[in-house]
Amino acid sequence: EPEVTQTPSHQVTQMGQEVILRCVPISNHLYFYWYRQILGQKVEFLVSFYNNEISEKSEIFDDQFSVERPDGSNFTLKIRSTKLEDSAMYFCASSEEGQGHGYTFGSGTRLTVV
Amino acid sequence: GESVGLHLPTLSVQEGDNSIINCAYSNSASDYFIWYKQESGKGPQFIIDIRSNMDKRQGQRVTVLLNKTVKHLSLQIAATQPGDSAVYFCAEKAAGNKLTFGGGTRVLVKP
Repeated sequence: EPEVTQTPSHQVTQMGQEVILRCVPISNHLYFYWYRQILGQKVEFLVSFYNNEISEKSEIFDDQFSVERPDGSNFTLKIRSTKLEDSAMYFCASSEEGQGHGYTFGSGTRLTVV
Repeated sequence: GESVGLHLPTLSVQEGDNSIINCAYSNSASDYFIWYKQESGKGPQFIIDIRSNMDKRQGQRVTVLLNKTVKHLSLQIAATQPGDSAVYFCAEKAAGNKLTFGGGTRVLVKP
């Protein structure tokens, strides 16, 4: 069964450092997403991406965040200057169309900011 | 604002019994709903979905019921197995592509 792949599984970084979280969405999917889940809390939407541009973003997705599809397979989330409160699980997801069908999540990257 | 089931209750169920997990949503404009299962350290795993033009949908051992009048969604798991132990989230989609998740329900299956 096709899956969304995320690397690394765990990233530890110093406060103020930049991190890049990587994702390989399902190959025939056209919509890509990042979500995060702070420990013990619910999953929160960050951003959606379609046709090489951001289609929607949440209030959480401020100027320190950016996304990119650098080639035909990868989808990245960059956090420019990490803060302690950025510590969370970050999930990448993809869907084949915009109505939600086939919305599939990766296993996540656990980001720990120290 | 939008909200979907903000608490994390725990449901203990005997192996072999049926489980019912409930979810309340507040956005009447939502047109698509998904149930996800999340095991420790893993991402949300798709279980079953339903569109707002339906009130019931069945999968393998799972049934989702949608009551738009009271904005309520439920997931029924038949013959619950130890492998069903996890946190279950409902999620809704209104306009756009983002999903709004509920707080989740932890299911513990007792042997």
